[in-house]
Amino acid sequence: GENVEQHPSTLSVQEGDSAVIKCTYSDSASNYFPWYKQELGKGPQLIIDIRSNVGEKKDQRIAVTLNKTAKHFSLHITETQPEDSAVYFCAFYSRRGSTLGRLYFGRGTQLTVWP
Amino acid sequence: GAGVSQSPSNKVTEKGKDVELRCDPISGHTALYWYRQSLGQGLEFLIYFQGNSAPDKSGLPSDRFSAERTGGSVSTLTIQRTQQEDSAVYLCASSLGGGNQPQHFGDGTRLSIL
Repeated sequence: GENVEQHPSTLSVQEGDSAVIKCTYSDSASNYFPWYKQELGKGPQLIIDIRSNVGEKKDQRIAVTLNKTAKHFSLHITETQPEDSAVYFCAFYSRRGSTLGRLYFGRGTQLTVWP
Repeated sequence: GAGVSQSPSNKVTEKGKDVELRCDPISGHTALYWYRQSLGQGLEFLIYFQGNSAPDKSGLPSDRFSAERTGGSVSTLTIQRTQQEDSAVYLCASSLGGGNQPQHFGDGTRLSIL
């Protein structure tokens, strides 16, 4: 089946520093790559997504880059703040092995931002 | 506007009992997904609905698990003869269309089997 590798599993940074999380996916035909943030006791919240026709997308302090040739995509958070502390999940969309396609999720990265 | 609503938020039950978990998607969203998340783990896909039909049931872990969706809206996930390994957070998500559309999650039902 399809899979996505997400690294690192844990990440600790000082407030104000940048954080980068990287995912490698299996389906070269994939065209949609969302990122989710999950706080304790809450459901995952979509924070940014990118489609395969662009290489980079930014939203304030958050950016996602996509390298289709290498089949990897990354989340970049700049000027981190303590409230960025959460678990972050990457995902990619694939139609292989499923009639209408679905998302496949990484195992998550626990980001801790120290004040 | 209203997001995805799940009930109950917490459920504690004895091993061997049946449980029903409910998901109310965002109005107008045709696709609905169920996931399971064990403590400190990632998201395990269970089942996907497009309208009232389930084109992908590949993630259901055993025949004790079933789900239905009626009226293209509310969905119920049923677990029969619960086992301790069923303890987890069950998350529901909905999207406007197929799998390559943004999915919006509820806050889940935390299920504990004693």
